[in-house]
Amino acid sequence: GDSVTQMEGPVTLSEEAFLTINCTYTATGYPSLFWYVQYPGEGLQLLLKATKADDKGSNKGFEATYRKETTSFHLEKGSVQVSDSAVYFCALSDGYSTLTFGKGTMLLVSP
Amino acid sequence: EAQVTQNPRYLITVTGKKLTVTCSQNMNHEYMSWYRQDPGLGLRQIYYSMNVEVTDKGDVPEGYKVSRKEKRNFPLILESPSPNQTSLYFCASSPRQETNTGELFFGEGSRLTVL
Repeated sequence: GDSVTQMEGPVTLSEEAFLTINCTYTATGYPSLFWYVQYPGEGLQLLLKATKADDKGSNKGFEATYRKETTSFHLEKGSVQVSDSAVYFCALSDGYSTLTFGKGTMLLVSP
Repeated sequence: EAQVTQNPRYLITVTGKKLTVTCSQNMNHEYMSWYRQDPGLGLRQIYYSMNVEVTDKGDVPEGYKVSRKEKRNFPLILESPSPNQTSLYFCASSPRQETNTGELFFGEGSRLTVL
């Protein structure tokens, strides 16, 4: 079945550092890929998405490129802020009924 | 305000005492789903519904029931809760039946403890 693997956290960074959170996937067909963010005490929110190979999703300074050849969708941000501290989930859609989520990666940004 | 509302937000109960977690969305969404979130396991889908009167099992349906009698409501029923159902539960909805557009709108979560 479909699966998503994310790097384990927590990822701890200083403010203005460069962020990469790795995500790889296994799926049949051509899934759509997503990053969700969960701030403390809240539900998940869609951060960005890409629906086909080589698409780049971007939002709030975050970017991720759908790489079919490496089955990856790594999340990047050039300069993180304390307010970016959250748990980040990579996910894929089977195009029909289900979003499959990775286990989540906690990001902690210190001033 | 567009939202997904879950109740209760927090609940402590005892083994075997039936409970229902309600979920309601005001966005006229077709698709609704329940997930549980556990440390080290991420989010796992319990049940989903593509439309009224249409429900199907997700990855971890054992011990749960759902119903979709109206478009806006999708309650999660634990007929006989057990301690392994202690978890953080999320309801989510999407405007389309298909999930390839990916935008799920999540409720704030319901933290359930079964003693």
